[in-house]
Amino acid sequence: DGGITQSPKYLFRKEGQNVTLSCEQNLNHDAMYWYRQDPGQGLRLIYYSQIVNDFQKGDIAEGYSVSREKKESFPLTVTSAQKNPTAFYLCASSIDVRRRTYEQYFGPGTRLTVT
Amino acid sequence: AQSVTQLGSHVSVSEGALVLLRCNYSSSVPPYLFWYVQYPNQGLQLLLKYTSAATLVKGINGFEAEFKKSETSFHLTKPSAHMSDAAEYFCAVLAGSRLTFGEGTQLTVNP
Repeated sequence: DGGITQSPKYLFRKEGQNVTLSCEQNLNHDAMYWYRQDPGQGLRLIYYSQIVNDFQKGDIAEGYSVSREKKESFPLTVTSAQKNPTAFYLCASSIDVRRRTYEQYFGPGTRLTVT
Repeated sequence: AQSVTQLGSHVSVSEGALVLLRCNYSSSVPPYLFWYVQYPNQGLQLLLKYTSAATLVKGINGFEAEFKKSETSFHLTKPSAHMSDAAEYFCAVLAGSRLTFGEGTQLTVNP
């Protein structure tokens, strides 16, 4: 089955530790995205990548880093510099927007708790 | 810059009643608009999309939305609510290669 997988579903870390969230897709999509979701605030874009080896900052990139070494994978690292990392993180992908297909497909999310 | 506003963070309806979730957009170009649904602790699922074709768009689970340029609106409706419709709903507008989301509307369906 094609889709987007995120692992793990729940993640717990101590303050001051870096943590990497996994996102893999087998939809052959060009673009991938990371969002953060907090109660009552909708989704906020962290980073996105339209092609391999290239990515752009979203609205709240501070304290996060990404890589896009493979088309299928777009891991997100939450660094110790992120002041309030506890949140629900969602990964999404879409076919290249230049082909005029704009909807994004979402993974199941990772709930990160930092104490 | 493109943006969306969802009116009402919480909407409550009775089972079998009409569902109306409101979304207004702001866009300097013809917009591409989307409605997504999110069940607790899950990702978002696309309900429907408007991409400048028919103004009345039908989606999954009996939902539909009407694009009204004069009102800059893209409200989501369903004639008869079901208990399984209880979820959070997000309106989104395409801005370049990015989606900008509204803050969401939590729909409660009462028996």
